[in-house]
Amino acid sequence: AQSVAQPEDQVNVAEGNPLTVKCTYSVSGNPYLFWYVQYPNRGLQFLLKYITGDNLVKGSYGFEAEFNKSQTSFHLKKPSALVSDSALYFCAVALSGGYNKLIFGAGTRLAVHP
Amino acid sequence: GAVVSQHPSRVICKSGTSVKIECRSLDFQATTMFWYRQFPKKSLMLMATSNEGSKATYEQGVEKDKFLINHASLTLSTLTVTSAHPEDSSFYICSAVLTGSHEQYFGPGTRLTVT
Repeated sequence: AQSVAQPEDQVNVAEGNPLTVKCTYSVSGNPYLFWYVQYPNRGLQFLLKYITGDNLVKGSYGFEAEFNKSQTSFHLKKPSALVSDSALYFCAVALSGGYNKLIFGAGTRLAVHP
Repeated sequence: GAVVSQHPSRVICKSGTSVKIECRSLDFQATTMFWYRQFPKKSLMLMATSNEGSKATYEQGVEKDKFLINHASLTLSTLTVTSAHPEDSSFYICSAVLTGSHEQYFGPGTRLTVT
């Protein structure tokens, strides 16, 4: 079965420090991987995606993610966190045979402290 | 560009009534739209795939007679929760796929409360 795991319910980081939000996946075939961010009572905003090509993907608001095939991971990173980055982050994978259909991880709440 | 709207943003209805939620792609055409349900502090659960001009495809465990989906045009999909019960209270989010893109664009969500 295809799945996405976000092992951390919450990540706490001080403003200005680097942040990492972890994601691992299990799919058959080549994965299409996505990161989304959700602010309270709002829909999801697209951050970045990996389809093919360079393993390091750069996205919105200074975020980036690295696709690691051997570790089946797609961790989200940012060199210097901002308080405004505090939100709920979702990793998602598109199912093989239908790239539109997304399976979401459980979400990780990022709290950036001043 | 690629903006998706939902209406209403919040709705409160009485148990036993039906409520309709609209999802519109404002500046692009979307052959496919998706409906998700999100419980508090939980992830998104895909309910159904809505394809313009054809019947929706429902995920396992989702009652198609309770959650009616109509995708009548390339810019509008509607979700009708029929005979709503308090357990249907949730945050409903739609998304639309820009044709030729790998990305889903999400609406802002609709908070449904059934009393």
